Amino acid sequence: DSGVTQTPKHLITATGQRVTLRCSPRSGDLSVYWYQQSLDQGLQFLIQYYNGEERAKGNILERFSAQQFPDLHSELNLSSLELGDSALYFCASSVGAGTRETQYFGPGTRLLVL
Amino acid sequence: EDQVTQSPEALRLQEGESSSLNCSYTVSGLRGLFWYRQDPGKGPEFLFTLYSAGEEKEKERLKATLTKKESFLHITAPKPEDSATYLCAVQAENYGQNFVFGPGTRLSVLP
Repeated sequence: DSGVTQTPKHLITATGQRVTLRCSPRSGDLSVYWYQQSLDQGLQFLIQYYNGEERAKGNILERFSAQQFPDLHSELNLSSLELGDSALYFCASSVGAGTRETQYFGPGTRLLVL
Repeated sequence: EDQVTQSPEALRLQEGESSSLNCSYTVSGLRGLFWYRQDPGKGPEFLFTLYSAGEEKEKERLKATLTKKESFLHITAPKPEDSATYLCAVQAENYGQNFVFGPGTRLSVLP
């Protein structure tokens, strides 16, 4: 158990809908990262927050957004969902925001868009 | 173009048959190389971090090594419970603190 929690574990929805994924980092960790993992793309970095502020952006679509709240939990919002958004979404956390920080991953949320 | 590759894509071993997995990278200014293990449908589990060429880390049947262009994950006398996908991730100066993951090696250890 990494100490990172994610809810829900599974989510089934329809195209065009909007969903919110939630992540609670390990106790003491200030950075939260979001990744998408699909069969053909592997693990792709989406976005990072550090202590409430956006720190880095990766391959995140404009239909997706995230935020980190004062209690350090984070939410990833996915809107206007398409079939291709079906994937595993992982959250990871680390103590700081610098380089050489180990990221600890949560169990993931499996999203299925029908 | 910066990239991270892993080989082989898949590997089947008999229990007790030692082998090595490879992670090759072409990035500028390596800051760290990370190995993770991932079971199907689960989140990646941290194994090792390597920071500089020549560094080695060991944990049970696993040993990770790093050179200037690649890293190896050596598995000695594997057991069926070592079956998983092994991912490497690179942190480099032009990516900031972000990870770039390789595609993984899917390891199956047969009893």
